Formats: sequence, structure tokens, C-alpha cells
Amino acid sequence: DVKVTQSSRYLVKRTGEKVFLECVQDMDHENMFWYRQDPGLGLRLIYFSYDVKMKEKGDIPEGYSVSREKKERFSLILESASTNQTSMYLCASRGHALAKNIQYFGAGTRLSVL
Amino acid sequence: SQQGEEDPQALSIQEGENATMNCSYKTSINNLQWYRQNSGRGLVHLILIRSNEREKHSGRLRVTLDTSKESSSLLITASRAADTASYFCATDGASGSRLTFGEGTQLTVNP
Repeated sequence: DVKVTQSSRYLVKRTGEKVFLECVQDMDHENMFWYRQDPGLGLRLIYFSYDVKMKEKGDIPEGYSVSREKKERFSLILESASTNQTSMYLCASRGHALAKNIQYFGAGTRLSVL
Repeated sequence: SQQGEEDPQALSIQEGENATMNCSYKTSINNLQWYRQNSGRGLVHLILIRSNEREKHSGRLRVTLDTSKESSSLLITASRAADTASYFCATDGASGSRLTFGEGTQLTVNP
């Protein structure tokens, strides 16, 4: 079974802090994704990566950056956390295009910015 | 851009009843998928239907796709309390790797 692990289930940070959310997958997947989920807005794509050191902006990249130095790890960085970044963050991975575009999700990180 | 929208937003039924959730989307798609999310957890893939398919079954799940109406439905038969969760449709189009998710239907199955 594919396993996608997010380093923290819950995080509480202060406004202005630099925040790192880590995601690791164990299936050698090329593609990895970061979403945020908010009530009434569904899942919105922040960034995705289709290979090591490659990244693409999603729909709401402002205020975020990402890092993919190794294939199995995809990090989401909040350069200076703000209260409007309080949300549930979901990481997902997907294999090669032949994998039918099914995404495998981590359990999520609920981030509160105070 | 395409956007999945589920209907209804919330559904409450008794155990043993069938639950039907609908999804509408815009623009052409390659596939449509349904995912389930238990409270406070990540999403889990349930079933995928290709754009050239009209119906697909998996256990107690039945998915239909009508590309002329740009809509899909997910039917869960003989529901159980453990089916209580949020259900999302997701579509992908010509861009390939990206999925666009709807806002979800919250299903509550009462014992």
C-alpha cells in the first residue's frame, strides 16, 4: 500500500513565523501535491512537483513556497505565517501517468496561526 | 477552468438506505474520480470512471457519468454507519496531472 506521511497532525504557530510542513511518500512517485482545505471552498491546489527540484504553481501559491530535494519528500514552506493561512493542509502523491491519475493523500496537518 | 460541484452539500439517511450524491463539472474531462474523507483525515480514492464509460461498479458503490450533461453520480447502496464521511468528486482534463476537486457532500448515516 502507498503510504504518504505528513510530519505533524496539528501545529500551532505565531504570526510571522516561518513554518515547514513535511510530506514523505514511500512509493517512488514522481508527482507530489500540496492542497489546503477550507470549509465551503473544498481542496485548493497550492503547489505541485512532477520531479525532483521541479515545482509548479497551483491555484493559490501566494505566501507559500515548496522544496523537493529528494523524490520522496515534498516540503511546503510558509515564509511568514499569517492568520489567513490557518487551515487543513493535505499532501498527496501520484505515480507515473499510467497510474490513472489517482492521488494518495496523507492524513493532513491542521495548522493554526495565532 | 473545470470545477466539480457536489449536490447535496449534506445528506442524512438511516442505515440500510441508499445514498446518492451528484457532481457537476465544466469543460471536457479525461476521468472523473470519487474520494472519501473521514473527519479530520486525508482523502481516500474510491473509484475512477473514464470519460468513455457510462457506469462503473465497485462493491456497494455505483458511479454513473453523463458527459453530455457534464455530471456524475455516486450511489452507495445499503449504507452503514461507517459510511459516514465527506465525499468528493475530482476531475482531470487535458492538463493531465492536476485534479480539480468539488466542495464535497457530507454524508451522515444514522444507526
